[in-house]
Amino acid sequence: DAGVIQSPRHEVTEMGQEVTLRCKPISGHDYLFWYRQTMMRGLELLIYFNNNVPIDDSGMPEDRFSAKMPNASFSTLKIQPSEPRDSAVYFCASSLQGAPRYTFGSGTRLTVV
Amino acid sequence: AQSVSQHNHHVILSEAASLELGCNYSYGGTVNLFWYVQYPGQHLQLLLKYFSGDPLVKGIKGFEAEFIKSKFSFNLRKPSVQWSDTAEYFCAVTPSGNTGKLIFGQGTTLQVKP
Repeated sequence: DAGVIQSPRHEVTEMGQEVTLRCKPISGHDYLFWYRQTMMRGLELLIYFNNNVPIDDSGMPEDRFSAKMPNASFSTLKIQPSEPRDSAVYFCASSLQGAPRYTFGSGTRLTVV
Repeated sequence: AQSVSQHNHHVILSEAASLELGCNYSYGGTVNLFWYVQYPGQHLQLLLKYFSGDPLVKGIKGFEAEFIKSKFSFNLRKPSVQWSDTAEYFCAVTPSGNTGKLIFGQGTTLQVKP
C-alpha cells in the first residue's frame, strides 16, 4: 500500500491565483480529512468526508476554500483566490470506519507570495 | 466542544533524560486517544493509541502513555530520550466509535541535546 498520496509536495504561487491541492486516500478507507498546519494555529481540521460526502466543513476558513471528493480515490482542496495568510502545510488523512487509525499524507507546503 | 490541551509548547532535554509531556482533553463521553510524532520535514506518524482496556499503553520507540479518566489526561512518557526523538509531538482525541473529527492539541516541540 502506497499510503496517502498528496500532490504537489510544494507549491509557490502569487497572491490572487487559484491553487488546487490533491489527495489520494488509502484504498478502501471511507473517511478523508483535510488539515492545515501553521505555527500560530497548529493542526486545524478543515473538512472531512465519509463515503465521498462532506460531513463537516465548519473548519473551512472562508468561501475562498472549497473541497470536493468526486470518487473514493480522489479529493481536492481548492483556494481561489489565494492570499499570503493561506501559506501553510496542508495534510490529507484517511481512515476506515471501525478502525480509527488515521494515516496522513506527506503534506503540501503552500507558499503564497 | 471537544478540545485538547498540551501544557508544554517547547521542551529541551539532554540525552538520557526522562520525558513526560502533558495532555488533557475535554469531552464528556468515552474517547479514543492518540499521540502522533512529526519529525522535521515529515508527516505525522502514530506513536500509540488508546481505545479501551489497560490504561497504560505502550507504543513504538519506547514511548508509553497513561490514560487517567478521572483527570481527563493522557500523558506521554519515555524513560530515556535520544537525540533522534527531537520532533514535534501531538496529542489527539476522537469520540469513541466515531472515526470522524480527530482533534489535535497545539503540539509540543521536543529538542534533545546530544
